[in-house]
Amino acid sequence: ILNVEQSPQSLHVQEGDSTNFTCSFPSSNFYALHWYRWETAKSPEALFVMTLNGDEKKKGRISATLNTKEGYSYLYIKGSQPEDSATYLCAPDQTGANNLFFGTGTRLTVIP
Amino acid sequence: SAVISQKPSRDICQRGTSLTIQCQVDSQVTMMFWYRQQPGQSLTLIATANQGSEATYESGFVIDKFPISRPNLTFSTLTVSNMSPEDSSIYLCSVGVTGHYGYTFGSGTRLTVV
Repeated sequence: ILNVEQSPQSLHVQEGDSTNFTCSFPSSNFYALHWYRWETAKSPEALFVMTLNGDEKKKGRISATLNTKEGYSYLYIKGSQPEDSATYLCAPDQTGANNLFFGTGTRLTVIP
Repeated sequence: SAVISQKPSRDICQRGTSLTIQCQVDSQVTMMFWYRQQPGQSLTLIATANQGSEATYESGFVIDKFPISRPNLTFSTLTVSNMSPEDSSIYLCSVGVTGHYGYTFGSGTRLTVV
């Protein structure tokens, strides 16, 4: 069992606002860090898989950074839209053996 | 990326009964994974299903309670046996070709045990 913490647990933002959330994980035995978006009644969707300390990845208005030495990753959403409303999950992979430990997620609601 | 068809999408079951969840993948994959999300909890890996061998279960999960079949490289089933209300959860199957591209999930089975 891995201690993965995501904060905040939930947040509401106005359409157009930018926002960010945090994923904290043990910095030892790091292999990769996954981010997923899970919309209600749909499948979790892979956003990013990050492996290098200092890495930054971007997909449209969503970006993520990674600090493996201190064990955290930030997910940023620029100019939030109602379709961004979802639960955002992070999952560190310590060994590359396909065993992901998911955090409880950050539930984002974007208010039109 | 792979496309997974998972069914049923939801079910309401009586305690003491069993439910089998199916996942069909549109391509051959070596490993399939079964997850559970209990209300308010994180996604938790139940087991890894390998074709041609017994599934590998994570701590806290046992084969008698969650028997898994993997008859070929595109299909797997998870059975939730002798259900109790504590088994009410979302169950998901997942596949991943490599660890660097993320994993593809089925659409989930929302199980309610009454």
